[in-house]
Amino acid sequence: QVQLVQSGAEVKKTGASVKVSCKASGYGFIGHYINWVRQAPRQGLEWVGWINPNSGGTNYEQKFQGRVTMTRDTSTSTAYMELNRLTSDDAAVYYCATCSGTPCYFEYWGQGTLVTVSS
Amino acid sequence: EIVMTQAPVTLSASPGERVTLSCRASQIISINLAWYQQKPGQAPRLLIFGASARATGIPARFSGSGSGTEFTLTINSLQSEDFAVYYCQQHELGITFGQGTKLETK
Repeated sequence: QVQLVQSGAEVKKTGASVKVSCKASGYGFIGHYINWVRQAPRQGLEWVGWINPNSGGTNYEQKFQGRVTMTRDTSTSTAYMELNRLTSDDAAVYYCATCSGTPCYFEYWGQGTLVTVSS
Repeated sequence: EIVMTQAPVTLSASPGERVTLSCRASQIISINLAWYQQKPGQAPRLLIFGASARATGIPARFSGSGSGTEFTLTINSLQSEDFAVYYCQQHELGITFGQGTKLETK
């Protein structure tokens, strides 16, 4: 069965960077985009961006451009999201989720990674 | 950016009832809309894609409708496990979510 397994919780200082991983199994990794969606405490869902594992191409939500980098390792079927210059507003659960590209709705989700940002 | 607005913010209902949740897009999105259910401490779960197609394993009591800018999610004969937060998401231009509707027990 399809599984997306994310790395564990992180605690970071303001201004630091965080890198979260998402290991896929149960399907052809290069056939589906990996998206990152975050959810601040008691808030709604916010799309961060996606990576096409086949080409490595990326598409970031404008507000994160210049601060986020998404990469992948096809040999291990793992996608990564790195977010730099963290602020308290970045404290959230970060989910990875698959979509087919176009259309892009999220069929499979990881379990989420809690990122805490402290000063 | 396409803004998605859900109503109501909170909906109180009893098991067995039928409920309708609404989602409005700030511009036309055709049928590029999905619905998700999220329970506390869990990742969202895809319910509906293409505005009206049920995802794999989703019970028939869940149905979606609409196109353009107005969409609805209907849940017939509410079950105890249906009380959760529901989000709509558009993927016509970029990707944005509604703010969610919390379905709670009356």
